[in-house]
This record gives sequence, structure tokens and C-alpha cells, in this order.
Amino acid sequence: DTAVSQTPKYLVTQMGNDKSIKCEQNLGHDTMYWYKQDSKKFLKIMFSYNNKELIINETVPNRFSPKSPDKAHLNLHINSLELGDSAVYFCASSQRTTFTDTQYFGPGTRLTVL
Amino acid sequence: AQSVAQPEDQVNVAEGNPLTVKCTYSVSGNPYLFWYVQYPNRGLQFLLKYITGDNLVKGSYGFEAEFNKSQTSFHLKKPSALVSDSALYFCAVRDIQTSGTYKYIFGTGTRLKVLA
Repeated sequence: DTAVSQTPKYLVTQMGNDKSIKCEQNLGHDTMYWYKQDSKKFLKIMFSYNNKELIINETVPNRFSPKSPDKAHLNLHINSLELGDSAVYFCASSQRTTFTDTQYFGPGTRLTVL
Repeated sequence: AQSVAQPEDQVNVAEGNPLTVKCTYSVSGNPYLFWYVQYPNRGLQFLLKYITGDNLVKGSYGFEAEFNKSQTSFHLKKPSALVSDSALYFCAVRDIQTSGTYKYIFGTGTRLKVLA
């Protein structure tokens, strides 16, 4: 059973298009995250939701809009894709009530913008 | 703001030899430190964490890390490296925000290559 799953695994699209990446976790965690890993492997947090409430919103272009329909899902919608959006996007989840939570990562979605 | 630094982009070690992957941190207050590993084309996997208590923390796959407050370091170690340990390793620290919430700051990663 996959703990944190993402779809699609690969996404190739043209500049200017709109695309979505879906994430689901079956761990019962209360918090979910989106991270971006660039070509140099730098990993940076983008958003975090706790019990469907946005708690972390880094300096990310407003073309990126996360949506959390329930605690088990956190989707990422990207409008007007740009070349610089090409990266691997990781979803993660954790249980924040422990306060020393360990994050569980999904397998990643490799986005290529042409 | 909190931060972690991984001074080495890559570490090469022969199979069977001990390995060390370095991490230094800068925090105000008590540090909560983590190590994650990323295998090719996979997501990050948790290895171990230091919250409080013993300075030597044991984790998955035979890895351990030593918390050194005076040197502000949290180096990852393993007594005998395996070829299968070859991967990208990330150190991370918890960064408490002014809002009271927190996020995790990851280091730039160190690629470990274990040579047969």
C-alpha cells in the first residue's frame, strides 16, 4: 500500500498551459505539503495545509494554487506554465500533533515545460 | 531564521569503509534535526531525527548521527558502507515561524557514492 501517492508521475506540457498534480495520503496525517526540487536537487517548501487550512505559503507565484478538499488530499494547480516551472514536485504528509513530526514523501511528479 | 549547511556536494567512499556525511546547523533555541535519503527517481525517506536526549541517534539501515552542540553539527555516519547506500542525503532543520507554525528547511544535499 502506497502511503503518499502522486499523479501523474511524469507531466510534459507546453508553455502557457494549465496543469494539475494530485496527491493523496492514506496515513491519517493532518498535514500535507508541496515541495519543489529543481535541477540542482535543491528542495524547497511551497505550501502546507493542516486540517485543510493553509498554514505555510512561501514566496510562490500566484499561478500556483493548492487545493485541499479533505485532509487526505492536496492538489496543486499551475496556471500559465513557464519554462522555469520545470522541476520535480513532491508531496509529503506528517502528523503535526506530535510536534516532532516526520514527513513522508510521495514519489514525485517530474514536470517538463517545453 | 534557521538553516542547515551541507558543505560537501559529493562524498566517495569504498565499500566496507566508514562513511560520514556532514551537516552543520544554525538555529535559535533547541534544534530539531533530521536526515533524509533520496534514491534515484524516488521521494525522500526518513532516516533519523534528533529532538532531545542522547547525542548519538540511531536510525534506519544502520545509519546514525551525532549531535554536537558546541560544533553545531549533526553528521550522519555508518560504520561500514554498502554500495546500496549510494544516494542523495539531505539534512533538515525545523524552522519555527513568527506565526507559531513551523516548516522544515532542507540542506542542499550530499551525493554519496559507495565504490565496490
